[in-house]
Amino acid sequence: DAGVTQSPTHLIKTRGQHVTLRCSPISGHKSVSWYQQVLGQGPQFIFQYYEKEERGRGNFPDRFSARQFPNYSSELNVNALLLGDSALYLCASRSGLALPYEQYFGPGTRLTVT
Amino acid sequence: TQLLEQSPQFLSIQEGENLTVYCNSSSVFSSLQWYRQEPGEGPVLLVTVVTGGEVKKLKRLTFQFGDARKDSSLHITAAQPGDTGLYLCAGSSSGTYKYIFGTGTRLKVLA
Repeated sequence: DAGVTQSPTHLIKTRGQHVTLRCSPISGHKSVSWYQQVLGQGPQFIFQYYEKEERGRGNFPDRFSARQFPNYSSELNVNALLLGDSALYLCASRSGLALPYEQYFGPGTRLTVT
Repeated sequence: TQLLEQSPQFLSIQEGENLTVYCNSSSVFSSLQWYRQEPGEGPVLLVTVVTGGEVKKLKRLTFQFGDARKDSSLHITAAQPGDTGLYLCAGSSSGTYKYIFGTGTRLKVLA
């Protein structure tokens, strides 16, 4: 079975541009979460979606937005890119919202803003 | 604000040695997970613990959840070079949908 997939794997953008990152969850999983991991730190929670509805939002500016599609795949959008947005963006999927809350990560998208 | 602190931050040991990594918080978690992450890749789930005092073993790795569900430890017996990586703990609270990640422990096992 395929795991969580993300695209693209790497991306280089310039300040002020917009970026869209994509994620496909494990088959049968209805929840997708997005995390930002800056070099040397643990992942920081950005969003969680379940059944196409936003269920949680981390402490990120409104430049960050996301959505989930009927097939449970998801997009993360970031507008007006800043140098500080350079990071590994991780997508995680889980089957539902009940315990034990297990989630599985994709390989990530490495975003570099110059 | 929920925080998870891991210690030590860095650990360099010789092959065959034992080690313990700690994950501590002042908050109670309903579920706590441990991950290992290789450079440039996503974290790989090692274990999930949900019951206070729970102990789980995965080959040479032993995971324990504190009785009060505020802390956890990861013990590796006879470390091998393949254990090298970033170890992350992450906690989730009932009623929220996000995971709070710890600061990470970077382990290097020398052959």
